Amino acid sequence: AQRVTQPEKLLSVFKGAPVELKCNYSYSGSPELFWYVQYSRQRLQLLLRHISRESIKGFTADLNKGETSFHLKKPFAQEEDSAMYYCALSGVIQGAQKLVFGQGTRLTINP
Amino acid sequence: DAGITQSPRHKVTETGTPVTLRCHQTENHRYMYWYRQDPGHGLRLIHYSYGVKDTDKGEVSDGYSVSRSKTEDFLLTLESATSSQTSVYFCAISESAAGVYNEQFFGPGTRLTVL
Repeated sequence: AQRVTQPEKLLSVFKGAPVELKCNYSYSGSPELFWYVQYSRQRLQLLLRHISRESIKGFTADLNKGETSFHLKKPFAQEEDSAMYYCALSGVIQGAQKLVFGQGTRLTINP
Repeated sequence: DAGITQSPRHKVTETGTPVTLRCHQTENHRYMYWYRQDPGHGLRLIHYSYGVKDTDKGEVSDGYSVSRSKTEDFLLTLESATSSQTSVYFCAISESAAGVYNEQFFGPGTRLTVL
């Protein structure tokens, strides 16, 4: 079955410290992975997609097919990074292309 | 923000009553989605639409129905609301089916409480 797992519901780090939000997935085909973010009082929005291999707001994520992971990393956390983060997988599910979200991780950056 | 609005933004209702949530878009996107957001479950797809009058079920469709009579409007109906349907409901749109280059754009959400 297609599944996205984010093992940490809550993650708290200090400003300037490295941060890593974990995401593991299960999917029988070739996965397309994304990170979405929801800042306080803002809408859920796309942060980055694995195919782009880009850094957005200092965040990067590498798809590791061997470990079926797509962890989100940032070397130096900023207070404005505090938000809810969702890992998502796009794949063919029950005959149609759909997006499956993980449970979400609430990241808090302490000053 | 993409041109997506949801109404109402907040609603409190009683068990057994029908409830309809509306999603309206001005982007002329073909695909529209309804998700519910619950702690510990993330976002789960309820129903989606791939065109006018074309809809299909998602992961948690029991107790919900949808209709799309116009490109810009996607309605979610709870025929007889239950307390387990207390949640935050998000509408999303995309130009094409979810895929590597097809971003989903989300509405502001509707907080529904069923007493």
